[in-house]
Amino acid sequence: QKEVEQNSGPLSVPEGAIASLNCTYSDRGSQSFFWYRQYSGKSPELIMFIYSNGDKEDGRFTAQLNKASQYVSLLIRDSQPSDSATYLCAVNSDTGGFKTIFGAGTRLFVKA
Amino acid sequence: GAVVSQHPSWVICKSGTSVKIECRSLDFQATTMFWYRQFPKQSLMLMATSNEGSKATYEQGVEKDKFLINHASLTLSTLTVTSAHPEDSSFYICSARDRVDGPQHFGDGTRLSIL
Repeated sequence: QKEVEQNSGPLSVPEGAIASLNCTYSDRGSQSFFWYRQYSGKSPELIMFIYSNGDKEDGRFTAQLNKASQYVSLLIRDSQPSDSATYLCAVNSDTGGFKTIFGAGTRLFVKA
Repeated sequence: GAVVSQHPSWVICKSGTSVKIECRSLDFQATTMFWYRQFPKQSLMLMATSNEGSKATYEQGVEKDKFLINHASLTLSTLTVTSAHPEDSSFYICSARDRVDGPQHFGDGTRLSIL
């Protein structure tokens, strides 16, 4: 059973701080990795994707991937109250037809 | 880019009614479309995966005769909830992707309330 694990939180950080969200996955055949943000009552929104080991930066967001440790993370710099949401980690595996497995999500709360 | 349009946004109807939800990829051709259901404060639950021109693959426990999926073209998939009952009330979300290793792009979702 392929799994994607996230700490459910809530993760609470003060405004302006760095929020660090972590995700581990079980399938070593995983090839592509995504982070989604989901506000309460809304559908998920893609914010980052990463395919290679290392860091990928986009504005205030940095995705980090370590395939050897089967670990992917999302850093949010200068956190804002508007970043308060649930963050979903998602992993595509090249086995089973590139099925996407979603984690249950981490709730982030940024305090003003 | 990568916009997915889902309609309607809200549906309120009587028990026994059938409801059709449309999902369109507006600026890309979707090799695969997905249908999810999400109850309040719970995780996304994948219902089925559909590829254009072929039958949908349903997840275990999802009744295919109740949740009819049609993927008629590379840009349109529909979900029909047949003879809906109050327990079918939920937030239904579609997504689409244009490459097998690419991300899923989500529609805005449909909130279904069955009275």
